Amino acid sequence: GIQVEQSPPDLILQEGANSTLRCNFSDSVNNLQWFHQNPWGQLINLFYIPSGTKQNGRLSATTVATERYSLLYISSSQTTDSGVYFCAVGDNDMRFGAGTRLTVKP
Amino acid sequence: GAVVSQHPSWVICKSGTSVKIECRSLDFQATTMFWYRQFPKQSLMLMATSNEGSKATYEQGVEKDKFLINHASLTLSTLTVTSAHPEDSSFYICSARELVIYNEQFFGPGTRLTVL
Repeated sequence: GIQVEQSPPDLILQEGANSTLRCNFSDSVNNLQWFHQNPWGQLINLFYIPSGTKQNGRLSATTVATERYSLLYISSSQTTDSGVYFCAVGDNDMRFGAGTRLTVKP
Repeated sequence: GAVVSQHPSWVICKSGTSVKIECRSLDFQATTMFWYRQFPKQSLMLMATSNEGSKATYEQGVEKDKFLINHASLTLSTLTVTSAHPEDSSFYICSARELVIYNEQFFGPGTRLTVL
């Protein structure tokens, strides 16, 4: 099955800093999504981005499908950005990476 | 975005009992829904694909007789954990893909199961 690798596994930032999260996947897919899991476990949809670049406020994402990776950028990080960020890929069913645990300190 | 709900949010049961978890797509129809399990500080692992009107497809290593899935309508899938044991304690999350507007997966809020 498809393999999904995320890096780094943990990231600690000072408030206001920028960060880049990476997702590598082993096969071509029709669907790639980034999620933020909040402390209560709810998965928040950030981006549906099987290819190209999208931006939403302080967040942006880029997927280079031919090279099988995606990047999530967080600019001017805030403490509320803390949590786990997941990349998930697939065609119909989604396979998740191990996640990046982000801690933003005030 | 589209909304997927789950009920209950949390449940505590005794070992040996069965627990039913409901997953509903509130504002769209879903011929396929997915069930995931997440252990503490781990990622989401796909358990099974729930197909409306037909049998579920289970991932390797998931016991189909223990985790019964019924997809009775285009908006409802249920997961029943039969004869639950403490090792079944976990966070169960369902999802469905909204194909008309967003073409992306939306996830329910999850159900935290604790088996004593």
